[in-house]
Amino acid sequence: AQKITQTQPGMFVQEKEAVTLDCTYDTSDPSYGLFWYKQPSSGEMIFLIYQGSYDQQNATEGRYSLNFQKARKSANLVISASQLGDSAMYFCAMRVFNQAGTALIFGKGTTLSVSS
Amino acid sequence: NAGVTQTPKFQVLKTGQSMTLQCAQDMNHNSMYWYRQDPGMGLRLIYYSASEGTTDKGEVPNGYNVSRLNKREFSLRLESAAPSQTSVYFCASRRTSGGVETQYFGPGTRLLVL
Repeated sequence: AQKITQTQPGMFVQEKEAVTLDCTYDTSDPSYGLFWYKQPSSGEMIFLIYQGSYDQQNATEGRYSLNFQKARKSANLVISASQLGDSAMYFCAMRVFNQAGTALIFGKGTTLSVSS
Repeated sequence: NAGVTQTPKFQVLKTGQSMTLQCAQDMNHNSMYWYRQDPGMGLRLIYYSASEGTTDKGEVPNGYNVSRLNKREFSLRLESAAPSQTSVYFCASRRTSGGVETQYFGPGTRLLVL
């Protein structure tokens, strides 16, 4: 079964510290994509970073990096130098191919709280 | 360039009423999606449209219908609303560029069914 698991309901970090949000996935497809989205309290879904299953290097976007360990089926998000504005819910998602074509399945999310 | 827009932003319905949620994108994307998000949950796919005129069921399609009349617009209809359909609904469109895929989301519609 295709599944995304985020085991950390909540994470707490101080400003300027780095934080890792965990994500494991399960799929038998050789081709897949992994995403992280940020959802602030205002509710919108903001795309952060993407990693393709065949990408050799870990994806990076500014302060965000994706620690992709294919053998362990993990795709952890690393936020360096946390800021107060990083406080939000973070969702890991996986692109799957099914009867509906291409769609995303999401984990249940991790709430990140950044304090000063 | 407004991205993905959704109307309305909020709606309260009584059980049995019908309504249509509207979604439009101005990025010329072929693929569009409807998701629902329940409290404490990630998003779940309701329906999907790979291109104009085509639609397919996702994970939770029961109680919904969709219409993709043109490339820009993808609407979601609740024919007879039920309290279990109280949720936040997100529309999205998909772009693939340089091997990187992104789904762009609208701001969401908060629906309460009494």
